[in-house]
Amino acid sequence: DIVMTQSPDSLAVSLGERATIHCKSSQSVLYTSYNKNYLAWYQQKPGQPPKLLIYWASTRESGVPDRFSGSGSGTDFTLTISSLQAEDVAVYYCQQYYTTPFTFGPGTKVDIK
Amino acid sequence: EVQLVESGGGLVKPGGSLRLSCAASGFTFSNAWMSWVRQAPGKGLEWVGRIRSKTDGGTTDYAAPVKGRFTISRDDSINTLFLQMNSLKTEDTAVYYCTTDRAYFDCWGQGTLVTVSS
Repeated sequence: DIVMTQSPDSLAVSLGERATIHCKSSQSVLYTSYNKNYLAWYQQKPGQPPKLLIYWASTRESGVPDRFSGSGSGTDFTLTISSLQAEDVAVYYCQQYYTTPFTFGPGTKVDIK
Repeated sequence: EVQLVESGGGLVKPGGSLRLSCAASGFTFSNAWMSWVRQAPGKGLEWVGRIRSKTDGGTTDYAAPVKGRFTISRDDSINTLFLQMNSLKTEDTAVYYCTTDRAYFDCWGQGTLVTVSS
């Protein structure tokens, strides 16, 4: 199975400041034939289901604010919130869909400082 | 608007069975691949399994912890996804979400809580 790790476990950022979350996979999730990274990011607010933010490592889902961006390739990925808003307080998960079983990272909790 | 509504959760004893349903609307369910994802209380997300559309074979894949105990099925005539859970263990306690499955999960239901306890 592909193991996903995230860092940090939690972070607190001032409103309007940048938040950066890292995700690492135990093996590459880059499908070279298509030149696509099979990596997604989700946001989960308390009491709510997860919400898809980013897929193919860097494609924003429709309706997701452009302050959210994804980058990286192979085994190392980053989710960046360029200017943290109060409504961004949540837990963020990465997920690989390169192969089954699909696996998620343990989550990163983002709070306001 | 895409809607996924899970039902069927509840309290069950270890070794018992439960059948979850997910009613889908707002998209062509018969063309969709669907998955179940669960989340134990206070924990992270765990993929349970998926079912392909009938045109893509209707076959299923499962995570190792549930393989042989859980069965995913679908009834396209009523736009409903099912999760039959047998031989339940305390570690199966979780909120179970149904999701549309493009390998990434773009639409999620609100979830239904399954509690396995004596």
